[in-house]
Amino acid sequence: DTEVTQTPKHLVMGMTNKKSLKCEQHMGHRAMYWYKQKAKKPPELMFVYSYEKLSINESVPSRFSPECPNSSLLNLHLHALQPEDSALYLCASCLSGGALDEQFFGPGTRLTVL
Amino acid sequence: AQSVTQLDSQVPVFEEAPVELRCNYSSSVSVYLFWYVQYPNQGLQLLLKYLSGSTLVESINGFEAEFNKSQTSFHLRKPSVHISDTAEYFCAVEESSGNTGKLIFGQGTTLQVKP
Repeated sequence: DTEVTQTPKHLVMGMTNKKSLKCEQHMGHRAMYWYKQKAKKPPELMFVYSYEKLSINESVPSRFSPECPNSSLLNLHLHALQPEDSALYLCASCLSGGALDEQFFGPGTRLTVL
Repeated sequence: AQSVTQLDSQVPVFEEAPVELRCNYSSSVSVYLFWYVQYPNQGLQLLLKYLSGSTLVESINGFEAEFNKSQTSFHLRKPSVHISDTAEYFCAVEESSGNTGKLIFGQGTTLQVKP
């Protein structure tokens, strides 16, 4: 299994909803990432987990809450989002997070906040 | 801090023509360099990377990129493009001495291959 899966593919939510994005990999990777990508823009790093511990938070608003329950799973909990949070949310993983490791990306969850 | 500049936001080209997508970077430390490709409605895929050694790196589908330290460039080239190469291409850098896996991306170049 050499892929990163993300569910759901699409999500529409209101500003008062609570929802979660899920990312899974079974490649034995110990570093996992959340990126946000707006239309026609590059991905922007949000969070990095290394060995199930949060190692980087790029000053992301608290309405985004990451969670890494185990080495294969990464969640992003969403609460009280704003319309400007609408974007493609990409998950990635790599072996250990070192600079030599290739990051494998999932297909993304396209989020629309109404 | 590092930054990446992709000089062309869109590159239209006819099928079987050669193409070059330009990438320049700025960094005060040694970096690794990457090209990623994103097909419509998909995530990113690593196309090729420069870590060390030979400055010319190649991908399995005919793309190549050359690292030029003096010009701080890592341009992507293909001698003959196919319709299927139509996609968004991102150049990225990562600090080679760091251990975070933090990629800094350029703004992207849309390659439009016309029949």
